[in-house]
Amino acid sequence: DGGITQSPKYLFRKEGQNVTLSCEQNLNHDAMYWYRQDPGQGLRLIYYSQIVNDFQKGDIAEGYSVSREKKESFPLTVTSAQKNPTAFYLCASSIPTNTGELFFGEGSRLTVL
Amino acid sequence: KQEVTQIPAALSVPEGENLVLNCSFTDSAIYNLQWFRQDPGKGLTSLLLIQSSQREQTSGRLNASLDKSSGRSTLYIAASQPGDSATYLCAVRGNEKLTFGTGTRLTIIP
Repeated sequence: DGGITQSPKYLFRKEGQNVTLSCEQNLNHDAMYWYRQDPGQGLRLIYYSQIVNDFQKGDIAEGYSVSREKKESFPLTVTSAQKNPTAFYLCASSIPTNTGELFFGEGSRLTVL
Repeated sequence: KQEVTQIPAALSVPEGENLVLNCSFTDSAIYNLQWFRQDPGKGLTSLLLIQSSQREQTSGRLNASLDKSSGRSTLYIAASQPGDSATYLCAVRGNEKLTFGTGTRLTIIP
């Protein structure tokens, strides 16, 4: 089955620690995205990548970092510089055109203790 | 700047009724509009994608329409079922950017 796999589903972090969220897709999509979802707000774009070894900042990139070494993988690191990291994180992928349909993973919930 | 609004934020409907969910957007220069469903604690599931050149798309009991000139889209659900209870989000793709609404939380009452 083709799809997007995010791990872990739940993650707890102490203040001052970096954590990395995994996103793997087998849809053969070139474009991948990371979104953050907070209660009562629309999804906000953190980073996106249209092709391997290239990525761009989204609307709320501060305190986050990404890499895109393989087409299938787009991990997101939440650094200690992110002031309010507790949120639901969603990874998505699409073909890299303006008409592409977006597909999402099941999400990762990060809680800072 | 594109703004996407979904009203109402929550809706309760008796089982079996037909219903319409609304999505409005401020900038009509869009490439497409996508409707999603989200269950609590889960990711988004794509329901329908309407390209800017299309007026509507259908999948089973779902029908989505698009009126670019008025900045509106509707999602019509026929013969609602308890399993349709979820949050429904719309997203509008402009120039390299996708803008999401905050969703309508739908509850189907058995």
